[in-house]
Amino acid sequence: KAGVTQTPRYLIKTRGQQVTLSCSPISGHRSVSWYQQTPGQGLQFLFEYFSETQRNKGNFPGRFSGRQFSNSRSEMNVSTLELGDSALYLCASSITGTHRTQYFGPGTRLTVL
Amino acid sequence: SQQGEEDPQALSIQEGENATMNCSYKTSINNLQWYRQNSGRGLVHLILIRSNEREKHSGRLRVTLDTSKKSSSLLITASRAADTASYFCATDQTSGAGSYQLTFGKGTKLSVIP
Repeated sequence: KAGVTQTPRYLIKTRGQQVTLSCSPISGHRSVSWYQQTPGQGLQFLFEYFSETQRNKGNFPGRFSGRQFSNSRSEMNVSTLELGDSALYLCASSITGTHRTQYFGPGTRLTVL
Repeated sequence: SQQGEEDPQALSIQEGENATMNCSYKTSINNLQWYRQNSGRGLVHLILIRSNEREKHSGRLRVTLDTSKKSSSLLITASRAADTASYFCATDQTSGAGSYQLTFGKGTKLSVIP
């Protein structure tokens, strides 16, 4: 099976812009989670989607949003970008919410100038 | 917030030596997992140990869990240069909606010198 894929892999934006990141989970996986990784804060949970519903959200401002489509693909959006949003954004999928092992994609490196 | 805290933050060893990393966490857990991340890339799941297990092996990996001390350790035996990576422990918390999230420590950066 193909692994989790994320597009784009690298992105450069300027402050105030918005960005959309995409994640395609492993075939058959219905749960998709997003994480932000920065040198200062480490890995932090953003949100989790299952069957097109957001079931869980981390402690991030409303500028961070996401959605999941019927084919389980997911997108996350960050509006009004700030310098501090520069990070590696990781998407992970799992079969269902009860399977604890998550399979991570390679990440999208976002740089905000 | 960080649930797990890895120790040491960085570790440098010679190829063939064993590497031990420790993780402490704050609240009760269902499971504890270890992941590996090669520089700036995605995480790879290594092993999961349930709260009612004390030790688990997978190839050259050995994980122990002490729930009374809220701590876990990851031992990599006979290390190889390819083991150079950052290692993270993660605990999972279940939300009321049936979802769960992984809470990661800050990781141990392992360098294996050939």
